[in-house]
Amino acid sequence: QSALTQPPSASGSPGQSVTISCTGSSSDVGGYDYVSWYQQHPGKAPKLIIYEVGKRPSGVPDRFSGSKSGNTASLTVSGLQAEDEADYYCSSYAGSKNRVFGGGTKLTVL
Amino acid sequence: QLQLQESGPGLVKPSETLSLTCTVSGGSISGSSYYWGWIRQPPGKGLEWIGNIYYSGDSYYNPSLKSRVTISVDTSKNQFSLKLSSVTATDTAVYYCATLPAAHFDFWGQGTLVSVSS
Repeated sequence: QSALTQPPSASGSPGQSVTISCTGSSSDVGGYDYVSWYQQHPGKAPKLIIYEVGKRPSGVPDRFSGSKSGNTASLTVSGLQAEDEADYYCSSYAGSKNRVFGGGTKLTVL
Repeated sequence: QLQLQESGPGLVKPSETLSLTCTVSGGSISGSSYYWGWIRQPPGKGLEWIGNIYYSGDSYYNPSLKSRVTISVDTSKNQFSLKLSSVTATDTAVYYCATLPAAHFDFWGQGTLVSVSS
């Protein structure tokens, strides 16, 4: 199984919206509604922010939203805040109990 | 709320076996319908799924690591463990344990750095 493809970097100014893509195949992203997104600040463990494509765990601001079209999933962060600066990783179920992660995107708040 | 804590040696010699344990508190491994998983992150790089296990012992591994990985569970101690054999420098990483209520990783441990070096 191959890693999902994410842009290495993304950026936006405070208050703006930014969208991060996650491209896979029909064997993972396109085949299942089991895409999740994780936020990771430096030196910290990843934190779940979106699961099952567009669901938010309790406590995650509604500024974070997820969607999927075909083999590409997207994470949108609206109303960017300084604390949103972090690395973001997507993950997908890949069949046969397998999971796969994306390479990660470094989000910079300008 | 579930809490997970990884433990084990921080330094392993090349060709030896890396062994880590994840201790679960705030809930019972055998009392939940969760899977329990391991993920790793080489320094400065992205996340890599290693494998999952259910309390019954059913386990699933990343095909790229399958020949070297064993994940086991000890419900009496509320722990699950990772063994990775024949390690090389490329296995140097922060190793995380996590819960999987479904296909996503919910609660994560803080992670433990394991370096492979002679």
